[in-house]
Amino acid sequence: GESVGLHLPTLSVQEGDNSIINCAYSNSASDYFIWYKQESGKGPQFIIDIRSNMDKRQGQRVTVLLNKTVKHLSLQIAATQPGDSAVYFCAENRGTGNQFYFGTGTSLTVIP
Amino acid sequence: DAGVIQSPRHEVTEMGQEVTLRCKPISGHNSLFWYRQTMMRGLELLIYFNNNVPIDDSGMPEDRFSAKMPNASFSTLKIQPSEPRDSAVYFCASSLAGVGYEQYFGPGTRLTVT
Repeated sequence: GESVGLHLPTLSVQEGDNSIINCAYSNSASDYFIWYKQESGKGPQFIIDIRSNMDKRQGQRVTVLLNKTVKHLSLQIAATQPGDSAVYFCAENRGTGNQFYFGTGTSLTVIP
Repeated sequence: DAGVIQSPRHEVTEMGQEVTLRCKPISGHNSLFWYRQTMMRGLELLIYFNNNVPIDDSGMPEDRFSAKMPNASFSTLKIQPSEPRDSAVYFCASSLAGVGYEQYFGPGTRLTVT
């Protein structure tokens, strides 16, 4: 089921390196996924989305990969910058309405 | 567009008091969502509306919580009476109705109940 654990995964990367943030989802019927970025003191902001009929989608410096077989989603950030430091959430739509279910988030820290 | 507007941004109240949080969705959006975010439980969906009608309120913790959407441009989330465990950041988000539309989040209301 959905993970709502107490521990927020963390990732630290050097500025300029690539970052990969992973997310496991629980529902095989989920057909639309979004990655959100949340900076301290702000609401989540849309980064990129992907539908279940795709396995890869690219944006500016970001790529989302979807593996439906193992119910896994990843966000790749190229040439990570200090401004990328934030908590990143994956969110899944399970196809039964327009609500999204959010993961616990991953905290990304970029080291200058 | 001003985005989703929430008020107040911060609220400090004493246990037992009534708290009302307000949200103005993005103009033209017909779905509205209320979330609660805590360190312990992450981001939880409390309730959402389509075309001002509550669709799923299964996330509302208990009867002390209620939400209304009297028109397309305004919604409230009320807690009465408030308890310390209600302390959290409450987010409102809006989107177009239907599957496959991203949600736009407001800045949140940080509620502290002492």
